[in-house]
Amino acid sequence: KNEVEQSPQNLTAQEGEFITINCSYSVGISALHWLQQHPGGGIVSLFMLSSGKKKHGRLIATINIQEKHSSLHITASHPRDSAVYICAVPGGYNKLIFGAGTRLAVHP
Amino acid sequence: NAGVTQTPKFQVLKTGQSMTLQCAQDMNHEYMSWYRQDPGMGLRLIHYSVGAGITDQGEVPNGYNVSRSTTEDFPLRLLSAAPSQTSVYFCASSYSGTGVLLYFGPGTRLTVT
Repeated sequence: KNEVEQSPQNLTAQEGEFITINCSYSVGISALHWLQQHPGGGIVSLFMLSSGKKKHGRLIATINIQEKHSSLHITASHPRDSAVYICAVPGGYNKLIFGAGTRLAVHP
Repeated sequence: NAGVTQTPKFQVLKTGQSMTLQCAQDMNHEYMSWYRQDPGMGLRLIHYSVGAGITDQGEVPNGYNVSRSTTEDFPLRLLSAAPSQTSVYFCASSYSGTGVLLYFGPGTRLTVT
């Protein structure tokens, strides 16, 4: 069974800082998801990637399939980026296993 | 498009009561799924469906039933609520399984006393 670990669990940053959130998994996968959970509770899919890098605005996701590791970077962080960031990997046919999340707080 | 909708937003049940959490999507997605989110833990899959008439169990299916009679709707039934089922429940859908982006509903916060 695949296991997912995210680090750090909690992260505090000042506005404008560059942020990195990490996700490691134990079993080889075909693709990995990054999600954002807003303070109000809603969940939004940010990326799904199987190799290399994807960019959307100030968010960049990278994955190294050989090392079983993915990172989510936020450039020029802003208080509105404050959220819980969750990674998820396949755990069987049409099933995902989710990490516990990284709680990010960006202060002005 | 309304996307994925869930009702109710909040619910309080007494132990032993039954209820149905509703989930609907208007994107013609084949894949729909239910998750529960508990403090300090990742989302866990309860049940999922890959199309009308097809459902399967996830990681934590005990105490829950599902059915999928239409593409749009995927209700989750709690048969006899227990305090251990106190959680936030999310429904999610995609046009084709977990190999594409998922769209999540706003969640239902359930408390069982």
